[in-house]
Amino acid sequence: QVQLKESGPGLVQPSQTLSLTCTVSGFSLTSYSVHWVRQHSGKSLEWMGRMWSDGDTSYNSAFTSRLSISRDTSKSQVFLKMNSLQTEDTGTYYCARNWRDWGQGVMVTVSS
Amino acid sequence: DVVMTQTPPSLSVAIGQSVSISCKSSQSLVYSDGKTYLHWLLQSSGRSPKRLIYQVSNLDSGVPDRFSGTGSQKDFTLKISRVEAKDLGVYYCAQTTHFPLTFGSGTKLEIK
Repeated sequence: QVQLKESGPGLVQPSQTLSLTCTVSGFSLTSYSVHWVRQHSGKSLEWMGRMWSDGDTSYNSAFTSRLSISRDTSKSQVFLKMNSLQTEDTGTYYCARNWRDWGQGVMVTVSS
Repeated sequence: DVVMTQTPPSLSVAIGQSVSISCKSSQSLVYSDGKTYLHWLLQSSGRSPKRLIYQVSNLDSGVPDRFSGTGSQKDFTLKISRVEAKDLGVYYCAQTTHFPLTFGSGTKLEIK
């Protein structure tokens, strides 16, 4: 059974760095890509980036150089790090595989 | 970026009726391998999105055949026949042909 689960802090201060973890089970990170997607409250979905099965990464240029995605295959985890957070980065962050399988999401609020 | 334009933004339908949702892309979604990577997702209230249809017309496992997808190039349609109460939520089209991956703005389906 494929599962993805996001974890991380619910509150981050402006200008600080967001660190999220996606822990997967039921499949191997060396066989499938994992995406990170953000959703502002009541809004559509925004693709942030992707960890490919071979370890390569792709990013949405909208996040310029703020975003970094990495992984630890031994722990079946994919990591998201985004720096210089602003209030507009408040939202729910999801990890997903193939758009078929999604985590439950983690709500992040950027506020002092 | 490929812009995905969904219409209508909302729909109110009686149980048992049929509805169609349109999704138009700003570029052709035919990839170099000849396949079209246009997908349909449903996000029920308070839940994560889930994929219903992949590559225009292929139903995911467990999705009833009341759902169907058609289209080509830049013009796509999701049809729901004999709408049931459990179909309510926000429907998104999504393309994975071009980077960055993008989503439509969503169509909210409400039951009369």
